[in-house]
Amino acid sequence: DAGITQSPRHKVTETGTPVTLRCHQTENHRYMYWYRQDPGHGLRLIHYSYGVKDTDKGEVSDGYSVSRSKTEDFLLTLESATSSQTSVYFCATGEVGSKETQYFGPGTRLLVL
Amino acid sequence: LAKTTQPISMDSYEGQEVNITCSHNNIATNDYITWYQQFPSQGPRFIIQGYKTKVTNEVASLFIPADRKSSTLSLPRVSLSDTAVYYCLVGVLTGGGNKLTFGTGTQLKVEL
Repeated sequence: DAGITQSPRHKVTETGTPVTLRCHQTENHRYMYWYRQDPGHGLRLIHYSYGVKDTDKGEVSDGYSVSRSKTEDFLLTLESATSSQTSVYFCATGEVGSKETQYFGPGTRLLVL
Repeated sequence: LAKTTQPISMDSYEGQEVNITCSHNNIATNDYITWYQQFPSQGPRFIIQGYKTKVTNEVASLFIPADRKSSTLSLPRVSLSDTAVYYCLVGVLTGGGNKLTFGTGTQLKVEL
């Protein structure tokens, strides 16, 4: 499995507070992704990155921002957390030429009270 | 974006062959079809990928008809450990993640 770690693995926070989730990879993959997973919705793409400082929006980007200052790190920030952002967040990486395959991290479970 | 449709759930017994079909009517010419497996509290894991016809690996087979508007994941002789959610993904990494679409997944339950 690709070396992808996410931190924290679990977090409880209050509405209105900022939250940053970190994804770290050791595979030197060019592409990195943030997904959220909710019952009944499967996996939905939040933001993705196609290189250092190159990011773009996914399907459900409202309320989220991302940054990628290094190849290995991709940060997801909830500027002001809301209860609707309670979810499990997965980071993934990928590289063109690796058969379009994505490698997923273990996930971060976020609860916004 | 290529929207995908899968059955919500399927039940099977150990030793049987399971076929899960994914519909993707507006698949684009460059899109690949990839299947992932997900166990509770874990991230999805790659199973198999194809572009057309049939692909087989040590875990599964993937059947894609000529029109590529659907695909079927075939799991031979399932066991209890195959109980998981299976996702069909259509798209390409090139050009960015906005060309990737996950289905809502199929919950496969395998019983004795």
